[in-house]
Amino acid sequence: AQSVTQLGSHVSVSEGALVLLRCNYSSSVPPYLFWYVQYPNQGLQLLLKYTSAATLVKGINGFEAEFKKSETSFHLTKPSAHMSDAAEYFCAVSEGTSGSRLTFGEGTQLTVNP
Amino acid sequence: NAGVTQTPKFQVLKTGQSMTLQCAQDMNHNSMYWYRQDPGMGLRLIYYSASEGTTDKGEVPNGYNVSRLNKREFSLRLESAAPSQTSVYFCASSETGTYGYTFGSGTRLTVV
Repeated sequence: AQSVTQLGSHVSVSEGALVLLRCNYSSSVPPYLFWYVQYPNQGLQLLLKYTSAATLVKGINGFEAEFKKSETSFHLTKPSAHMSDAAEYFCAVSEGTSGSRLTFGEGTQLTVNP
Repeated sequence: NAGVTQTPKFQVLKTGQSMTLQCAQDMNHNSMYWYRQDPGMGLRLIYYSASEGTTDKGEVPNGYNVSRLNKREFSLRLESAAPSQTSVYFCASSETGTYGYTFGSGTRLTVV
């Protein structure tokens, strides 16, 4: 069975500082991995996805994530935080087969301080 | 704009009442999903439909039923609402094989 663990339910950074949100996964097959962002009172938007191509994936809004098989990790980073990055972030894993479902982590709330 | 549309956006029910949450997508996606979101628990899958005419239980199906009315529409029904069903409900769709979901904006349900 697949699962996702997000380390840290709340992360706080200063504007301009590095953002690092941690995600570790468990999957019995090579995984497909995703990061979604949720702004207050909105649905989830796809930030980026890893589907077995390049291990460093670039997404929207300056975010990127690196797939590390040896560490079973898919951490999300952004070099310089902006106030508009404040949101909840979800990591998700899929087995990648036809019709397979996403399993989500519990989410990390990112606060950006001025 | 193309996407996933959920109705209603907000609903308050009394314990024991029933209601149906509606979801429609216009992207010709094969698969559709219903999730609930609760604080500190992420999103949990209630039911999904891999293709028109099929539905399957997810992680937390008890107290819910679904109908895949056609390729566009996937509804979620609460037959007898309970306070434990107070949550935000999200519908999503995906094209089989591309693995990314498109989410609706959610329905915030309160059961009193």
